[in-house]
Amino acid sequence: GAGVSQSPSNKVTEKGKDVELRCDPISGHTALYWYRQSLGQGLEFLIYFQGNSAPDKSGLPSDRFSAERTGGSVSTLTIQRTQQEDSAVYLCASSLEPGNYGYTFGSGTRLTVV
Amino acid sequence: AQSVAQPEDQVNVAEGNPLTVKCTYSVSGNPYLFWYVQYPNRGLQFLLKYITGDNLVKGSYGFEAEFNKSQTSFHLKKPSALVSDSALYFCAVRALNDYKLSFGAGTTVTVRA
Repeated sequence: GAGVSQSPSNKVTEKGKDVELRCDPISGHTALYWYRQSLGQGLEFLIYFQGNSAPDKSGLPSDRFSAERTGGSVSTLTIQRTQQEDSAVYLCASSLEPGNYGYTFGSGTRLTVV
Repeated sequence: AQSVAQPEDQVNVAEGNPLTVKCTYSVSGNPYLFWYVQYPNRGLQFLLKYITGDNLVKGSYGFEAEFNKSQTSFHLKKPSALVSDSALYFCAVRALNDYKLSFGAGTTVTVRA
């Protein structure tokens, strides 16, 4: 596609429920990243996928968070048993390769846990 | 470890005046440096980057940034600010041999008419 697409754009969920956030990167981009942007804070790295390599999950805040990337393209970030502190904007980005390029970001999913 | 500091949470300027958004960084080896802008309810948009070469980098919307190795800074500048420049600005850094971008906390720029 022309840009990085994320869905849904907004999600309100009850505490304790599971949610899935989707990211469709730019076609041909081999690197995909998830970041979290909490109110008044910068961007927090969550997870990184590159081709068929094992993902870098070092930024995932707890074992309630997981992500997968199918076929080297679409990625899904899953949060199990959501908590109120999970409320944030979840941003996905992709890049052509992990070289000297910046990222192209999606518009994000705003998650609100009530 | 790599990190970015944006010492100002907010910058307020009058339209037509120069705009500067400060950024300092810490990284092992040579840095790749980036500026992004975020408008309300939008994702981050790339403004400019420094990889190598001239220390003064020109980017989108009339913005430029100057890489200063001795001061480990990469301040964003615009000679004449517009009201439409009001947004949240992020500085980011990555090391030569890394793939993760580390972002600063962001600076909210408000340009008043």
